[in-house]
Amino acid sequence: NAGVTQTPKFRILKIGQSMTLQCTQDMNHNYMYWYRQDPGMGLKLIYYSVGAGITDKGEVPNGYNVSRSTTEDFPLRLELAAPSQTSVYFCASSTLASTSTDTQYFGPGTRLTVL
Amino acid sequence: AQSVTQPDIHITVSEGASLELRCNYSYGATPYLFWYVQSPGQGLQLLLKYFSGDTLVQGIKGFEAEFKRSQSSFNLRKPSVHWSDAAEYFCAVGGGNEKLTFGTGTRLTIIP
Repeated sequence: NAGVTQTPKFRILKIGQSMTLQCTQDMNHNYMYWYRQDPGMGLKLIYYSVGAGITDKGEVPNGYNVSRSTTEDFPLRLELAAPSQTSVYFCASSTLASTSTDTQYFGPGTRLTVL
Repeated sequence: AQSVTQPDIHITVSEGASLELRCNYSYGATPYLFWYVQSPGQGLQLLLKYFSGDTLVQGIKGFEAEFKRSQSSFNLRKPSVHWSDAAEYFCAVGGGNEKLTFGTGTRLTIIP
């Protein structure tokens, strides 16, 4: 199993550009998550999904969109990139019926810089 | 609202020395507690977790953590650190309908 994979690893965007961060998991997990990690701030939940076709907002959803058309894929979309979105983005997945009590498996991250 | 405090931003330990990383949580009921490790350039990996039962939890890579309800703490320990333990360590709390809340992390540096 590859686990959770994310592409790209690094990206530089100009203000106002858009992009999609890709996330795929091959563990047949129902739950998937997107976090952002800022220095000294820990991880903040952006969006999560409890299954194909079902998504919900986390703590910091503004400026982002997600979709979940398959169990495996959970892309994160930035429509109008802003410098405040400079961060490291992690995708994660878990198997059990809870977003906070199950082990989460993380991808290697995408480092995004918006200039 | 639940919260996690990791009071030490950065800790430096000599190789072979013992280690304790502090974690304090705030949660209204019985918490689910986790320690994750993030090696440079990598995603987070679970070290150990506590749900119930024995308050001393064993994890991977020789780590253990002790849940102390009276102190609202879940400190991570290792008797003898290795250079490969240099990483950032995150404590997290969850439970019920709440989302997982992460602490701000403790960066561990190992010196020879």
